[in-house]
Amino acid sequence: EIVLTQSPGTLSLSPGERATLSCRASQSVSSSYLAWYQQKPGQAPRLLIYGASSRATGIPDRFSGSGSGTDFTLTISKLEPEDFAVYYCQQYGSSPFTFGPGTKVDIK
Amino acid sequence: QVQLVQSGAEVKKPGASVKVSCKASGYTFTSYDINWVRQATGQGLEWMGWMNPNSGNTGYAQKFQGRVTMTRNTSISTAYMELSSLRSEDTAVYYCARVLYSGTSYLGYWGQGTLVTVSS
Repeated sequence: EIVLTQSPGTLSLSPGERATLSCRASQSVSSSYLAWYQQKPGQAPRLLIYGASSRATGIPDRFSGSGSGTDFTLTISKLEPEDFAVYYCQQYGSSPFTFGPGTKVDIK
Repeated sequence: QVQLVQSGAEVKKPGASVKVSCKASGYTFTSYDINWVRQATGQGLEWMGWMNPNSGNTGYAQKFQGRVTMTRNTSISTAYMELSSLRSEDTAVYYCARVLYSGTSYLGYWGQGTLVTVSS
């Protein structure tokens, strides 16, 4: 089973700042089958990024994903008020399709 | 538009089973895999397994093997997840989610979630 580790656990930033979230896998994620989701309290997760770097439809271009192998990054270039949430990475290259524990981005 | 509407909250006793439904609309039900993901209160997401609604083929996380069964009724475009031998640690919100594109595994559409509470 591929174990995903996300860091930091919590990121305290102000609107307008840049957020850099890390997702590290215990073994290589095949074909960059790595997705990022955003979840707000009381809501279902929302797909942001798939294939490590492809934005899902309707996702603003301030969200970008990068990485390959075992190291992946989600970057939010300029935080908007609606971006404060929890972010999860998920690998779907090898069953079970595990999630990371999440990074909470909160307002400083 | 694609919609996944799940059944309502359930309260079960330890040792019982629960069956959660997920009714799909707005697309061809048999063309896209359905996954199930759960989330305990205040915790992260946990992937449980997938089902191909066309063939009925399934794949389960080892953790749930023997306790989970994913099925479907194509005539009413509904997927089901049944979890047996419930224990308190199974208390969680259970989500169904559809893959974004056929042949892929990332989850582009989600149901609203169903809270399952296991308590004596």
